[in-house]
Amino acid sequence: RKEVEQDPGPFNVPEGATVAFNCTYSNSASQSFFWYRQDCRKEPKLLMSVYSSGNEDGRFTAQLNRASQYISLLIRDSKLSDSATYLCVVSSLSNSGYALNFGKGTSLLVTP
Amino acid sequence: SQTIHQWPATLVQPVGSPLSLECTVEGTSNPNLYWYRQAAGRGLQLLFYSVGIGQISSEVPQNLSASRPQDRQFILSSKKLLLSDSGFYLCACQTPSNNEQFFGPGTRLTVL
Repeated sequence: RKEVEQDPGPFNVPEGATVAFNCTYSNSASQSFFWYRQDCRKEPKLLMSVYSSGNEDGRFTAQLNRASQYISLLIRDSKLSDSATYLCVVSSLSNSGYALNFGKGTSLLVTP
Repeated sequence: SQTIHQWPATLVQPVGSPLSLECTVEGTSNPNLYWYRQAAGRGLQLLFYSVGIGQISSEVPQNLSASRPQDRQFILSSKKLLLSDSGFYLCACQTPSNNEQFFGPGTRLTVL
């Protein structure tokens, strides 16, 4: 079983739509959770950390369910500029400090 | 905040040639540094990490090596490239104060 699993998509949604991405992780000892955004042929960029209580940043809402080992990202009022690949990332303490395990990403295409 | 530099941005090398990719970090001290590879259509694979000068740990066996000659310099090398070494190489930095990782712009390597 992969450590972090995501639906690869692609998700094709019209501008203004709400879209949700899900992610599951296998290591119950994981401590920190993140969503990264990666544009085509660019480096991943941190979108937001995910906290147990859930957190919101503008149009983006992240949720964490530790019992189910499940993370979600909700994007409201999608913009064309939201088109990218969204990477679910889970951090566990290891000899290297906090090792990050990346999902393969979910591709989002927002259309006019 | 930290800034991560990587060069070159793109590289085309013949099979069997050597490789040297450099990563430097500004704006932080004593960071943990990481080398990842992202092959086409695949997730990020951690190759090496370093928690300090001269301290290198390898995550996967391969024909690549890494060195950290200075606190904010991380180098990825190979004596003889293979076709399978093609990919997008990303350097990442993690500050001691938190467990978020930030990426450099990456080097896109094509081995022919």
